[in-house]
Amino acid sequence: GENVEQHPSTLSVQEGDSAVIKCTYSDSASNYFPWYKQELGKGPQLIIDIRSNVGEKKDQRIAVTLNKTAKHFSLHITETQPEDSAVYFCAASRDTGNQFYFGTGTSLTVIP
Amino acid sequence: DTAVSQTPKYLVTQMGNDKSIKCEQNLGHDTMYWYKQDSKKFLKIMFSYNNKELIINETVPNRFSPKSPDKAHLNLHINSLELGDSAVYFCASSRNFGSAGNTIYFGEGSWLTVV
Repeated sequence: GENVEQHPSTLSVQEGDSAVIKCTYSDSASNYFPWYKQELGKGPQLIIDIRSNVGEKKDQRIAVTLNKTAKHFSLHITETQPEDSAVYFCAASRDTGNQFYFGTGTSLTVIP
Repeated sequence: DTAVSQTPKYLVTQMGNDKSIKCEQNLGHDTMYWYKQDSKKFLKIMFSYNNKELIINETVPNRFSPKSPDKAHLNLHINSLELGDSAVYFCASSRNFGSAGNTIYFGEGSWLTVV
């Protein structure tokens, strides 16, 4: 089955700096990679996703990159703000599959 | 108009009790899930139903029994609660497993504490 690894487990950045979270996956058939943000006391919320036919996707201050050959994908947050502080999860799945495989989460703290 | 709603949000109960967590989605999705999140924040899938049919049943004790009366509802019943069952349980739904861009949408979670 699929194995998703996520690094780092914790990340602290100064407000205004960039944050990068990296994930690797093992199943070359995986073709859909969503990222979730979980704020304290809430459920994970989808923030951005990317499909395997795309190398990069941006949405304002967040972007995701995908390297299919190396089987890794990354979340980039620029100009971080205190409200970006949360736990972030990457995930991998495939269209023909029946479940999502989640990374172990990254706790991001943005220091004002 | 919450998309995936689950109740109760908080539940404190004694060992040995039986409890249920209810979940409803108003997104018109066919697939629903139960995930368990432990103290280390790991998200582990427990069950998945597609159109009321069980499709994923991970290694979960028999004390946990999901029930899906219709495709908009997936409830989780737990018998003989143990201390190790303390966790946050998330209900989730997705459009159709096996379809493109099959994004999962999570509920707000149910915090279960067994004392």
